[in-house]
Amino acid sequence: GIQVEQSPPDLILQEGANSTLRCNFSDSVNNLQWFHQNPWGQLINLFYIPSGTKQNGRLSATTVATERYSLLYISSSQTTDSGVYFCAVGSYNTDKLIFGTGTRLQVFP
Amino acid sequence: DTGVSQDPRHKITKRGQNVTFRCDPISEHNRLYWYRQTLGQGPEFLTYFQNEAQLEKSRLLSDRFSAERPKGSFSTLEIQRTEQGDSAMYLCASSPPTGTDEQYFGPGTRLTVT
Repeated sequence: GIQVEQSPPDLILQEGANSTLRCNFSDSVNNLQWFHQNPWGQLINLFYIPSGTKQNGRLSATTVATERYSLLYISSSQTTDSGVYFCAVGSYNTDKLIFGTGTRLQVFP
Repeated sequence: DTGVSQDPRHKITKRGQNVTFRCDPISEHNRLYWYRQTLGQGPEFLTYFQNEAQLEKSRLLSDRFSAERPKGSFSTLEIQRTEQGDSAMYLCASSPPTGTDEQYFGPGTRLTVT
């Protein structure tokens, strides 16, 4: 099955800094989603981005499907950005999502 | 649009007991998914329904696990004879019939088996 790798596993930032999270996947995908998991465990949808570039406020994402990676950019980070960020992909022969192991982000004031 | 809801939010049970969780998808979403997440890991797929049909099951779904979606609306996940290894967050997600494969997740049910 598809393998999903996220890097870095941990990221510590000071408020106001920018960061880039990476997601590599091992095969063609027809679904790619970025999530933020809050301290209570809820997965918050950030982007549905199987290809191309999207922006939402301080967050943006780019997926280069031909090269099998996606990037999540966080600019001017805030303490409320802290949590775990997951990349999840779906392939053409199944509807399930396969998740990476996540990037744990801590933003300090 | 009220989002995906799950009940209960927390469940503590003794080993050997049966438990049942409920998931209500977003209205008009015909696809429903169950995932399990253990500490420090990403969610792992358990099973998937399209309307009332269960179309895919993971090998993680042992014989003690059963999921139903009898009328194509809400779904239940039952675990029989719970074991300590079943302790996890159980997440439900739904997606619409057309236009996008984006999945929307509920708040989860945290199960603790003592």
